[in-house]
Amino acid sequence: QAQLVQSGAELKKPGASVKVSCKASRYTFTDYAVHWVRQAPGQRLEWMGWIVPGNGNTVYSQNFQDRVTLTTDTSASTAYMELNNLRSDDTAVYYCGRGVGLHWLDCWGQGTQVTVSS
Amino acid sequence: DIVMTQSPDSLAVSLGERATINCKSSQSLLLSDNNKNYLAWYQQKPGQPPKLLFYWASTRESGVPDRFSGAGSGADFTLTISSLQAEDVAFYFCQQYYPGPPSTFGQGTRLEV
Repeated sequence: QAQLVQSGAELKKPGASVKVSCKASRYTFTDYAVHWVRQAPGQRLEWMGWIVPGNGNTVYSQNFQDRVTLTTDTSASTAYMELNNLRSDDTAVYYCGRGVGLHWLDCWGQGTQVTVSS
Repeated sequence: DIVMTQSPDSLAVSLGERATINCKSSQSLLLSDNNKNYLAWYQQKPGQPPKLLFYWASTRESGVPDRFSGAGSGADFTLTISSLQAEDVAFYFCQQYYPGPPSTFGQGTRLEV
């Protein structure tokens, strides 16, 4: 069964950047998209973007267009999400998910808590 | 962006009884080219990531018990649990993945016993 394992919790100051990793195993990494979704306290899930590891194509939500960068290292079967210029309202759990096509997510990482506080 | 609205926000159902959760989209999720509804349902328990239940509105993911069913078309969808079990206590939310980003999620429904 496919598995995604994310990096550990992060505490950052406003204005800093964070880079979260998502290591895939038990499936062919380049055969599926990787989506990134975040869940702020008391808020609904928010889709941030996706990347297709096979060709590096990315699509970003307009809400994060200028601050987020998605990358992959196919040799390590790992996807990365970097969010810049952090604000307090970026405090959330960040999830990666395996996308079937560019559609639903059939496997999710365990989540990474990112806390932004001075 | 397509807005997804679930109802109710919270639902309490007795064990063995039926639970129904609604999800309404601000525009139709039915693509005429392939006659598919671009909607998924997830279950999320505290401290855990979401778990896929249904895609294409009514296609059950492998391993999901058949007491769960998904239905609906266009802009109105339902998730039904025919006989609530204790392990079904969780948050449930819908996601639309209609072509053309962004994908968006419902606000979630808390299901309790």
